[in-house]
Amino acid sequence: SAVISQKPSRDICQRGTSLTIQCQVDSQVTMMFWYRQQPGQSLTLIATANQGSEATYESGFVIDKFPISRPNLTFSTLTVSNMSPEDSSIYLCSVKTATEAFFGQGTRLTVV
Amino acid sequence: AQTVTQSQPEMSVQEAETVTLSCTYDTSESNYYLFWYKQPPSRQMILVIRQEAYKQQNATENRFSVNFQKAAKSFSLKISDSQLGDTAMYFCAFMKYSGGGADGLTFGKGTHLIIQP
Repeated sequence: SAVISQKPSRDICQRGTSLTIQCQVDSQVTMMFWYRQQPGQSLTLIATANQGSEATYESGFVIDKFPISRPNLTFSTLTVSNMSPEDSSIYLCSVKTATEAFFGQGTRLTVV
Repeated sequence: AQTVTQSQPEMSVQEAETVTLSCTYDTSESNYYLFWYKQPPSRQMILVIRQEAYKQQNATENRFSVNFQKAAKSFSLKISDSQLGDTAMYFCAFMKYSGGGADGLTFGKGTHLIIQP
């Protein structure tokens, strides 16, 4: 299993600013995943972060808007840049084993 | 690419009743995992039950069981003796069998389950 600590748990931000979300895992993992959950919606994969290489982004998500860092095997950050109200969502960090996925508690972001 | 479909946006049952949540999926993969996750208002994603596609036997975890029909690509969740604490969003999810590789999970849109006292 894996325990994932994500912070902040929530934030209210002004439009045009940026927020960096941190994700810490209690064990070393190769891949870390970032998801977005828009209000009342399901989880959508933003990108996959592999330590030592550029993150891989899903269709509809770009590095300029969602830059990701992965400095070591237990930590990653997701930045939401130049925010607009449409970025108001829950952002979740996740890791996988061969048989299961584990999630952080999520960051509820509200952009005003 | 995989797709996961949950056709019940919301369901409501009385406490102690049995409820079944539906999920269908589409994939060309032969080896994969299917999950039901519960998301209460706390936002934490909690694994309810897991099914390996290569296993014919349906998974069971206490009051939770699945009906896995691989040929029909159907994966329903049955909750027996429902409790107030079962009130949550339930997501059906698909994961390729890739040994912990680079593929994320594909989620359905979710079913909001409400257990009435």
